[in-house]
Amino acid sequence: DQQVKQNSPSLSVQEGRISILNCDYTNSMFDYFLWYKKYPAEGPTFLISISSIKDKNEDGRFTVFLNKSAKHLSLHIVPSQPGDSAVYFCAASVWGNEKLTFGTGTRLTIIP
Amino acid sequence: DTAVSQTPKYLVTQMGNDKSIKCEQNLGHDTMYWYKQDSKKFLKIMFSYNNKELIINETVPNRFSPKSPDKAHLNLHINSLELGDSAVYFCASSQAGTSGGETQYFGPGTRLLVL
Repeated sequence: DQQVKQNSPSLSVQEGRISILNCDYTNSMFDYFLWYKKYPAEGPTFLISISSIKDKNEDGRFTVFLNKSAKHLSLHIVPSQPGDSAVYFCAASVWGNEKLTFGTGTRLTIIP
Repeated sequence: DTAVSQTPKYLVTQMGNDKSIKCEQNLGHDTMYWYKQDSKKFLKIMFSYNNKELIINETVPNRFSPKSPDKAHLNLHINSLELGDSAVYFCASSQAGTSGGETQYFGPGTRLLVL
């Protein structure tokens, strides 16, 4: 039962352009969402999070948007840089329950 | 300073052996986790400990036994290793926040290969 889905396994974007990574979820109890970035042979690195009381959170080049009615979140990276090439995971949890449910990841490749 | 560290980074062993993976965090967090990333790259929680007490056990075979000697350490012992145990195991930690939602910080992973 895949409660968090990332339907695009891969995405290629030109350097300097906007990268948009998408994530859908099915469990309406989820109220905290996170994006992680993962390089090969390393652990996931926390990027940005958003709670369900907000619809947008921004941190430098990274912005996460949450659409609760559509059960959809997206990560925008502007401008995209070569160092952004990695696998991006979205994750979700229910407040008070520490368990994170991860999506299957999207491999982002930034083309110089 | 590494916030969440794991040893060993690589582990190659024979079927039927018993092995342990160690995890330490220096973030002062009170909750620690073990995740497994399988061959399909799917990250799934196995266990969670809060202040040395087990709080999440996701129907993992009882060949896997976590042990938390103190809140900064969470070790994973695996008995009678099977081929299907080959995976990358990640340790993570977090600290409960008053505003809800906990951000988990991950270690570098331990790549286990069972032959």
